[in-house]
Amino acid sequence: SYVLTQPPSVSVAPGKTARITCGGNNIGSKSVQWYRQKPGQAPVLVIDYASDRPSGIPERISGSNSGNTATLTISRVEAGDEADYYCQVWESSSYHPYVFGSGTKVTVL
Amino acid sequence: EVQLVESGGTLVQPGRSLRLSCAVSGFTFDDYAMHWVRQVPGKGLEWVSGIDWNSGGLGFADSVKGRFTISRDNAKNSLYLQMNSLRTEDTALYYCAKSRARFWTGYYPTEPFDYWGQGTLVTVSS
Repeated sequence: SYVLTQPPSVSVAPGKTARITCGGNNIGSKSVQWYRQKPGQAPVLVIDYASDRPSGIPERISGSNSGNTATLTISRVEAGDEADYYCQVWESSSYHPYVFGSGTKVTVL
Repeated sequence: EVQLVESGGTLVQPGRSLRLSCAVSGFTFDDYAMHWVRQVPGKGLEWVSGIDWNSGGLGFADSVKGRFTISRDNAKNSLYLQMNSLRTEDTALYYCAKSRARFWTGYYPTEPFDYWGQGTLVTVSS
C-alpha cells in the first residue's frame, strides 16, 4: 500500500516561512493536492496539481514536487494559517487509491 | 455559491445499516464525479468511495468494499452512501466532496476534491 509521510507538527513564528513535507515513493511523478483543515471545519483545497493555487488562495502559499518529496510552503506566516495540512495523491494499487498523508499540524508561535 | 450539505449521521448499533445523503447546489451536479471521505475525530482523512458523473463507475476503499454502496440522483442533485454491516471502526465524520473530474478514478493528472461539505457524524456503538 502506498504511504505518504508527513511530519506530525511544524511550528513557525509569525512572518516566517513554514515548510511542510510529504514523502512518498516517486511522488514527483504524481499530481499532489494539499488541503488545509482548521478546527471544526471541512478541508479546503489550497494547492492542486502540486503547485497551482485555486482561486482565493493567497500567493504566500506555494507547492513543489520532485523525486520522493512534495513540499507545501507558507511564506509570511499569519495566525490564520494555523491548521492541519494534508497531502493527497492517487495510487491505483493502494488499499485506498486516494491516499492522504497523516497530516501536519502547523502552529503559529 | 457551491454548497454541499450532508445528513443522515446518527448513533447506530454494530451490524445495522445507515444511509447518508449529500444535497448539493451552486454547480452543475451531473458534470462531476463525487466522493465520500471520512475522518475519525482527531485523526486523519480517509477516502471511502467515489462515483462517476453518470454512475457508470464506482470505487470503494478496501475497508468498506462489500458493505458500502454509493449512488447519486442527478435529478435531485443528491449523493448517497448506503452503509451496511456497520462496525465500530466505521465511526467517523463523513464528508461528501466534489471532484473536478467527471470520473471517480484519479489517473494522472489527478483532479482534486475542490469543494467539501461540513460532514455528518456516524457513531457505531452498542
